[in-house]
Order: sequence, then C-alpha cells, then structure tokens
Amino acid sequence: AQTVTQSQPEMSVQEAETVTLSCTYDTSESDYYLFWYKQPPSRQMILVIRQEAYKQQNATENRFSVNFQKAAKSFSLKISDSQLGDAAMYFCAYRSGYTGTASKLTFGTGTRLQVTL
Amino acid sequence: EAGVAQSPRYKIIEKRQSVAFWCNPISGHATLYWYQQILGQGPKLLIQFQNNGVVDDSQLPKDRFSAERLKGVDSTLKIQPAKLEDSAVYLCASSFSGQLSYGYTFGSGTRLTVV
Repeated sequence: AQTVTQSQPEMSVQEAETVTLSCTYDTSESDYYLFWYKQPPSRQMILVIRQEAYKQQNATENRFSVNFQKAAKSFSLKISDSQLGDAAMYFCAYRSGYTGTASKLTFGTGTRLQVTL
Repeated sequence: EAGVAQSPRYKIIEKRQSVAFWCNPISGHATLYWYQQILGQGPKLLIQFQNNGVVDDSQLPKDRFSAERLKGVDSTLKIQPAKLEDSAVYLCASSFSGQLSYGYTFGSGTRLTVV
C-alpha cells in the first residue's frame, strides 16, 4: 500500500517570502500522479498543482511550483511571493496511474501554513 | 460547471443516534468518493463508487456505516448508531473516470459532532 508522509505539522512564512512544504511517499508503482491540495477554513479541498510521475519537468502554476525527485520519492511544494490568502492546510496526495480500486487519493497528514505580515 | 454539493453543512447528534449525509456530484462524473477527515489528520477513503456499484469499501466500518448511490448520481452516507469517534468532517468528491491526472473535485464537507 502506498503511504504519504508530511513531516512538517506547521510552517510559517512572512508575506512576500518563499516557503517550501515537504512531502515524501512510498510506492512500488512506476505510474502514478502526485497532487498538492489546499484546504482553507471553508473545508473545501482545492487542487493547487499536480505532477505526472512520467514527466521529468517539475510542474508550475503561477506562484506554486514543485520539486519532484522520483528516485528519492520526494515531492515538495514551493510557494513564492506568499500572500495572506495562502494561509491554509496543505495536503500532499498520491494517486495510482491504474484505474479501478487503485484510483483513490491517499493523503498525508497535512501542513498548516501561517502567513504573517 | 456546478461543483460537488453536500448537505448538511453541520450536524450535531448524540451518541447512538443516526445521521445521514447527502452528496450530489458533478454531472457526468462516474466515480464518487466519501472521505472521513478527523481533526488534525488527512482525509481517509471510506467508500468509492463507480456509477452505482461499489469499487472499494475496505475502510468502511460496515457495522455502523452504510452508503448507497442510487441511479449512479446522488449518494447518501449513513451512520447508525453514531459513536464519539465518528466526529469528523465527511467529504464527498467526484471525478471523471478517464482523467486520473486531474485529481478530484471536492465538496465543502459536512462537519459532524457526536456528543
């Protein structure tokens, strides 16, 4: 079974600065997808960024980018120019590349990001 | 497109009572998921439907939890009888089966408090 580990329960960053959230995962599969979700107090999980395992190029979405190290099974999220609205819980998630029962998302325990003035 | 709709938003019940949550997925999404998120933890899958059939319910406590997805659209998750440890946020999500790379679309969840 796949596992996802987020070792930072809480992180803090000043507005306009850069912060990196860590995530490691364990899998024996070669085809999979990785995601970062943001969960504000409204509770709705919002997709921030995704990465296909077969792509070597790191994904970027505006101020959000990832550092995907497949051999090390590491998938960190970098937030640049942090804004107050970035404050939330961030979850790393894994999804198998195979359909059926393996298509579920497996989440880490989350990192709470605080953004200070 | 409309998002995943869930109701109620909040529910407070006493232990041993029953409760039901409703979810309406995005139109055309064949796969529907119910997740349980206990405070301070990541969401954990309870059950996955493909159309109106169950694909994975290995983490569902079947002695007290049940779920159905009538006609492959709306879904209901029920707890009977509730225990204190069932206090959590229950998230519903849906996805288009052929788009594994797109993750899911989540609803806003139902926060259940069992007292």
